Amino acid sequence: KQEVTQIPAALSVPEGENLVLNCSFTDSAIYNLQWFRQDPGKGLTSLLLIQSSQREQTSGRLNASLDKSSGRSTLYIAASQPGDSATYLCAVRMNRDDKIIFGKGTRLHILP
Amino acid sequence: NAGVTQTPKFQVLKTGQSMTLQCAQDMNHNSMYWYRQDPGMGLRLIYYSASEGTTDKGEVPNGYNVSRLNKREFSLRLESAAPSQTSVYFCASSERLFYGYTFGSGTRLTVV
Repeated sequence: KQEVTQIPAALSVPEGENLVLNCSFTDSAIYNLQWFRQDPGKGLTSLLLIQSSQREQTSGRLNASLDKSSGRSTLYIAASQPGDSATYLCAVRMNRDDKIIFGKGTRLHILP
Repeated sequence: NAGVTQTPKFQVLKTGQSMTLQCAQDMNHNSMYWYRQDPGMGLRLIYYSASEGTTDKGEVPNGYNVSRLNKREFSLRLESAAPSQTSVYFCASSERLFYGYTFGSGTRLTVV
C-alpha cells in the first residue's frame, strides 16, 4: 500500500531564506506527483505537477524535483515571503489504479 | 470565473440527521470528486465521478451516497449523520480523471 510522508509536519523560517519541503513515497510505481498549497480555511491550489518521466518542474520561485527510484520529491521555495505561509501537500497518482494519495502536509510559517 | 462552488460552508448536524452537500463547477470538467480532510489523516477520497452518469467508491465511502446530477453538479449525501463524519469536506473537479484538480473551498461539518 502506498504511503506518502511529509516531514516535518511544521516549519518556521525567517523571510528571505530559501527552503526545501520534503515528500517521500513507498511505492515508486507512480504516474505523477503534484504539489498543492492550502491556505487556512480554504481548498487546495495546485502548484506543480511532475510526470513520472520528468525530473523537475519550475514555476516562478518554486521548483519541484522528483527522484522516483528513491521515492522522494522536494519542493524548493526561493527567497521566501510571508505570503508563502500555508500548508503544502504532495500527492502521488498511482499507475495501477489511478488513485491519488495525499500526504498530510507541511505547515509552513514565514517569519517577517 | 467561480471554479468549484460548495454549499454550505458550515453545517452543524445532530446524530441521525441527514443532509446533502452541494457542489457545482463551471469549467466543463468531466470528472468530479468528494474528499474529506481530518487532522492527522490527510485527504481521503470518498466518491468520485469519472464522467456524467458514472460514480465510483473511493477509499472511505461508507455512510455516504453521491449523485452526479449533470455535468456541472455532484452532490454528497449523509443519510444518517454520525459524529465520526465530523470533518471538512472538499469537492474537486478535473478535465481528465485524477489529473489537474481544481478544489472548492470546503464545507466544515460538525455532527454532535
